Amino acid sequence: TQLLEQSPQFLSIQEGENLTVYCNSSSVFSSLQWYRQEPGEGPVLLVTVVTGGEVKKLKRLTFQFGDARKDSSLHITAAQTGDTGLYLCAGGEPGTYKYIFGTGTRLKVLA
Amino acid sequence: NAGVTQTPKFQVLKTGQSMTLQCAQDMNHEYMSWYRQDPGMGLRLIHYSVGAGITDQGEVPNGYNVSRSTTEDFPLRLLSAAPSQTSVYFCASSYSGNNSPLHFGNGTRLTVT
Repeated sequence: TQLLEQSPQFLSIQEGENLTVYCNSSSVFSSLQWYRQEPGEGPVLLVTVVTGGEVKKLKRLTFQFGDARKDSSLHITAAQTGDTGLYLCAGGEPGTYKYIFGTGTRLKVLA
Repeated sequence: NAGVTQTPKFQVLKTGQSMTLQCAQDMNHEYMSWYRQDPGMGLRLIHYSVGAGITDQGEVPNGYNVSRSTTEDFPLRLLSAAPSQTSVYFCASSYSGNNSPLHFGNGTRLTVT
């Protein structure tokens, strides 16, 4: 079974600061997705990256897929209190229909 | 547009009881799956289905059964509940599985005493 490790597990920062969340594995994935989850709700997709080295931007969020398709990062510029939540990465297991989820990063942005 | 609907939202069971968690989607998605979410462990795949009549095991299938008689519904059955099955359960669907975005329900919080 493939594993995805996320770091850090918890992050508490002030509004306006920048941060990066990492998602690492020793296995290759066919795609990498990032989700955000609010309390009492299911995860909601932020982005999907498919090609090694791919970079996608979503307003203040920048997502990167590693060249070898084994890792990914999420960078948030000038964090806002609305960015607070649980961030999850999920890798598509090649040749299957399975998605493997990372352990999650709980972000709290303080006003 | 309902999306993915899970019922019930909360459930308390005694050890040994059985129950079915319901999941329905109205997006005509072929792929459906069940996850459990436990603190510090992310989401773990229990079972999944790539279409009506087809199911397969995920990472943690023991103690759970599924069936997929229609495209819309994918119920999860707990055969004999155990305290280790206390968790939050999420159903998700997607258009075609790999590389397609997963659409999640809002979860069922299950406590087994």
